Amino acid sequence: QQQVKQSPQSLIVQKGGIPIINCAYENTAFDYFPWYQQFPGKGPALLIAIRPDVSEKKEGRFTISFNKSAKQFSLHIMDSQPGDSATYFCAASKGGAAGNKLTFGGGTRVLVKP
Amino acid sequence: GAVVSQHPSWVICKSGTSVKIECRSLDFQATTMFWYRQFPKQSLMLMATSNEGSKATYEQGVEKDKFLINHASLTLSTLTVTSAHPEDSSFYICSARDNRGHGYTFGSGTRLTVV
Repeated sequence: QQQVKQSPQSLIVQKGGIPIINCAYENTAFDYFPWYQQFPGKGPALLIAIRPDVSEKKEGRFTISFNKSAKQFSLHIMDSQPGDSATYFCAASKGGAAGNKLTFGGGTRVLVKP
Repeated sequence: GAVVSQHPSWVICKSGTSVKIECRSLDFQATTMFWYRQFPKQSLMLMATSNEGSKATYEQGVEKDKFLINHASLTLSTLTVTSAHPEDSSFYICSARDNRGHGYTFGSGTRLTVV
């Protein structure tokens, strides 16, 4: 059972555009929702994360929107640059003990054209 | 910030041999580390949760005798792929949760090629 569904699978935008990636989750016990950026041959790097008590969080050009009632959250990349071309993963986990694992979405390959 | 060091970054081995991958938390203690496998153009698949001083917890379908995990200290976990075969070729990534905050930090990954 896929607990975090991510869409679209791929996305192409022009420089300056705003790629939007959406994720939906099923487990209402999740309370930590991070986004990761991964370049080919590298491990994922944390971009930004949100908890369900806030509806939006911004860090630089990256914004997370969170809709608790709909069990959905999304990533917006403002003023996208060619260097943002990467694969983006949403994830979710339950808080509390350090042993709680992350559940990943399927990933979105973003290409920003110059 | 939290740093997780993973070595080697790539390895080529002959079929039937064993390969060890190391994962170290450099500036924090990690009672729990996670091992993932990632196939090309796919998401990360959790293989096991590594607990310091105790046995690892493996995900369903992951062969514990093939993928040996040892978490001997609060800063080091190792994954040994035993009797490797070409189908074990993949990208393996470790992760640790920083107990000072809430984040999960990932290593840079290991590309394993079995020939």
